[in-house]
Amino acid sequence: NAGVTQTPKFQVLKTGQSMTLQCAQDMNHEYMSWYRQDPGMGLRLIHYSVGAGITDQGEVPNGYNVSRSTTEDFPLRLLSAAPSQTSVYFCASSLNRGDQPQHFGDGTRLSIL
Amino acid sequence: GQQLNQSPQSMFIQEGEDVSMNCTSSSIFNTWLWYKQEPGEGPVLLIALYKAGELTSNGRLTAQFGITRKDSFLNISASIPSDVGIYFCAGPDRENAGNMLTFGGGTRLMVKP
Repeated sequence: NAGVTQTPKFQVLKTGQSMTLQCAQDMNHEYMSWYRQDPGMGLRLIHYSVGAGITDQGEVPNGYNVSRSTTEDFPLRLLSAAPSQTSVYFCASSLNRGDQPQHFGDGTRLSIL
Repeated sequence: GQQLNQSPQSMFIQEGEDVSMNCTSSSIFNTWLWYKQEPGEGPVLLIALYKAGELTSNGRLTAQFGITRKDSFLNISASIPSDVGIYFCAGPDRENAGNMLTFGGGTRLMVKP
């Protein structure tokens, strides 16, 4: 039982490049979410999904796209990377409600030059 | 979204000392969660609180759900070096359609052996 798995662990991009951060969970959780963590600012919600085929915006959605074609996977796409998107990105999941404790992956550390 | 304020932002203590930290909000929360994040890892749930006035322990950790429902406290007794990390409070953001979690800015704990 792997829990929440994020890939890659580290990535360096140039401004304007695109990439997809992968997230998979094997706990059959309905809810999945993406957060970014910046120094001194805690974790901020980017996008979330309450089930396959359903996504919604969080606090800081600009510059990011998501999709949820299966229960297990919730990829985060940066269409045109900007230096302001340099951050640590965490994927999380919970069983069937947003206010339940979230299970987090180990993060993707993204640097944009 | 709803804001959570954590204090102190950082603490540098001697091994064996007790630690207290708190989290406050201008609005009412129905759930308080406390997480710990160690370097290079995602946050891990420590304690979940669901009822005003509730006091819950997890080993040397004790957390309380404030009576006003606008605050929560985490205490660590007899600190040890492995307590080092960032401690986050979190609660469901009712301004978010999915009731997803919002996080405080964290308290960074450093323990001197």
